[in-house]
Amino acid sequence: EAGVTQFPSHSVIEKGQTVTLRCDPISGHDNLYWYRRVMGKEIKFLLHFVKESKQDESGMPNNRFLAERTGGTYSTLKVQPAELEDSGVYFCASSRWTGEVLNTEAFFGQGTRLTVV
Amino acid sequence: AQSVTQLDSQVPVFEEAPVELRCNYSSSVSVYLFWYVQYPNQGLQLLLKYLSGSTLVKSINGFEAEFNKSQTSFHLRKPSVHISDTAEYFCAVHYNTDKLIFGTGTRLQVFP
Repeated sequence: EAGVTQFPSHSVIEKGQTVTLRCDPISGHDNLYWYRRVMGKEIKFLLHFVKESKQDESGMPNNRFLAERTGGTYSTLKVQPAELEDSGVYFCASSRWTGEVLNTEAFFGQGTRLTVV
Repeated sequence: AQSVTQLDSQVPVFEEAPVELRCNYSSSVSVYLFWYVQYPNQGLQLLLKYLSGSTLVKSINGFEAEFNKSQTSFHLRKPSVHISDTAEYFCAVHYNTDKLIFGTGTRLQVFP
């Protein structure tokens, strides 16, 4: 069974440009999460999808960030326009939906390292 | 605010020595506690977790962690580390919501 896949693994863009990160969750996982780690700091929650619906987007930094999960399969996270402080590692995770607050184990991807110069 | 503290950003240790990676969390009525590990060039992997029951939980590769409610701690220990344990370790907590709150991570460096 394939794990959580993220693409690209690295991205270097100039300030003001647009970048789109992609996450393919494990097949059958309805929960999909985005997290971000700014260098040297903690990994922070961005948002949570259950299938194609946004369950919680309280961690999204501002309206330059747009996440979608059309059809409830893969997800994209677009940053437009990118700023220097957006640099960091973006992690995606997925898990099965059990209907309870605490879901089963979340499986993480390798992350996308975004550098804005 | 809900938070997780990992005081040690780096822990250097010689092979076969014991190690403890510290984790404290802000108090709450109910919490679920996790340790994740990130090996070089890999994603985060769940190492062990505490949901309920016995306060001492163990991983398959010799790590263990003890949930201490009075100290609000969930320290990770291993009696004898191996070179292959070199990685970054993250403590994380569920505070009765559907998202994980992570600490800043501890980089464990094992030297021969």
